[in-house]
Amino acid sequence: QVQLQESGPGLVKPSETLSLTCTVSGYSISSGYYWGWIRQPPGKGLDWIGSIHHSGNTFYNPSLKGRVTMSVDTSKNQFSLRLSSVAAADTAVYYCARVPHTCPGDCFLHYLDFWGQGTLVIVSS
Amino acid sequence: QSALTQPASVSASPGQSVTISCTGTSSDIGCYNYVSWSQQHPGKAPRLLIYDVDKRPSGVSIRFSGSKSGNTASLTISGLQAEDEADYYCTSFTTSTTLVFGGGTKVTVL
Repeated sequence: QVQLQESGPGLVKPSETLSLTCTVSGYSISSGYYWGWIRQPPGKGLDWIGSIHHSGNTFYNPSLKGRVTMSVDTSKNQFSLRLSSVAAADTAVYYCARVPHTCPGDCFLHYLDFWGQGTLVIVSS
Repeated sequence: QSALTQPASVSASPGQSVTISCTGTSSDIGCYNYVSWSQQHPGKAPRLLIYDVDKRPSGVSIRFSGSKSGNTASLTISGLQAEDEADYYCTSFTTSTTLVFGGGTKVTVL
């Protein structure tokens, strides 16, 4: 069974960089799939942040205006999220998930099948 | 990218059926059959219910079904049960190579 677990600081100061890691078990990241980050502000809906392949190819939500960077560490079977210049509006539960896809030429992200339990990140001084 | 449009809430009595709509554009739902639906109970992570418009993952009840017509996708829950009370989200792939969510629909079992 594929399992994902988010980890990282639960409190980040405004203007600093949020850093989270997702550890995958039960499946090797190197074997395929895209891997994604999603967030959910308190009491609100889900928002897709972006997705990364073990090759390093990434797709990001353009609304985050270049603040997002994702990376993969296949030796640790982990992938990571960095969100710079955070503000109160970035306070949310952050989830990681697996993303089935096809790339017959261009890539198509299909859905999110396995999710982590989520981790709350609060942006406050 | 704009969120897909879902009704804020729907309700029905146990045993009845409910249908949740998810309206997008020709750049997302209308362009691809990569529409999925997830269920989220309070304080829990979302759980995949439907993928690729109408496919159910192993372990998901046959009471959940999906469909699509034009720019609108739908999730139907048949034989509503108390445990179905939750938030439901649609997701679609877009022509910008992104994923977009609906705003979510709260299902209440009366």
